[in-house]
Amino acid sequence: DTGVSQDPRHKITKRGQNVTFRCDPISEHNRLYWYRQTLGQGPEFLTYFQNEAQLEKSRLLSDRFSAERPKGSFSTLEIQRTEQGDSAMYLCASSLVSLLAGGPGYHNEQFFGPGTRLTVL
Amino acid sequence: SQQGEEDPQALSIQEGENATMNCSYKTSINNLQWYRQNSGRGLVHLILIRSNEREKHSGRLRVTLDTSKKSSSLLITASRAADTASYFCATDGNYGGSQGNLIFGKGTKLSVKP
Repeated sequence: DTGVSQDPRHKITKRGQNVTFRCDPISEHNRLYWYRQTLGQGPEFLTYFQNEAQLEKSRLLSDRFSAERPKGSFSTLEIQRTEQGDSAMYLCASSLVSLLAGGPGYHNEQFFGPGTRLTVL
Repeated sequence: SQQGEEDPQALSIQEGENATMNCSYKTSINNLQWYRQNSGRGLVHLILIRSNEREKHSGRLRVTLDTSKKSSSLLITASRAADTASYFCATDGNYGGSQGNLIFGKGTKLSVKP
């Protein structure tokens, strides 16, 4: 399987505990994104990496959240001191960003993993 | 924050009918993408249309883009029960710089009855 994978698929934790999620992108993709999705809403951007560099963080990403992509391959998203409001689906996506000759900018077709559903009790 | 809105929020049709979903957005864009999400699952990329394109086809999907009205539509022809899912539009507003996050709408929940 050469798609984006995420682990675990489900996580139930108690408030105050720390959790860590892993994402393995498509191997040749240079960008990796984290999104959060709550029920009935579209995904909301959290952060993204180009290779190992974290280039942008949303203001949704409080100081309890940290993401890493140490070798430019897989990424981890850690939430410290979880709160009930952190309950959501955490989605990872990857893309290969390239400039197209003659095109208006670049393609950024993102491929999503199945997500990790977090429930904080 | 959400970039735009899909319309309608929910759509119920019979198998074989066509389904049309609309998306409006607020800022200038580089491209617009449509994704499908089955209940509780990840998103599947359907189609990308660039800002200099007006219409694009892929199988039973037809996407239009009107940048003057900041709107797009997704048409699914000859719908099947397996098309039942939520459909999201997402915009990428960057022109070659360092940003690249997609901004999603709230989605249209499509139900196709056999």
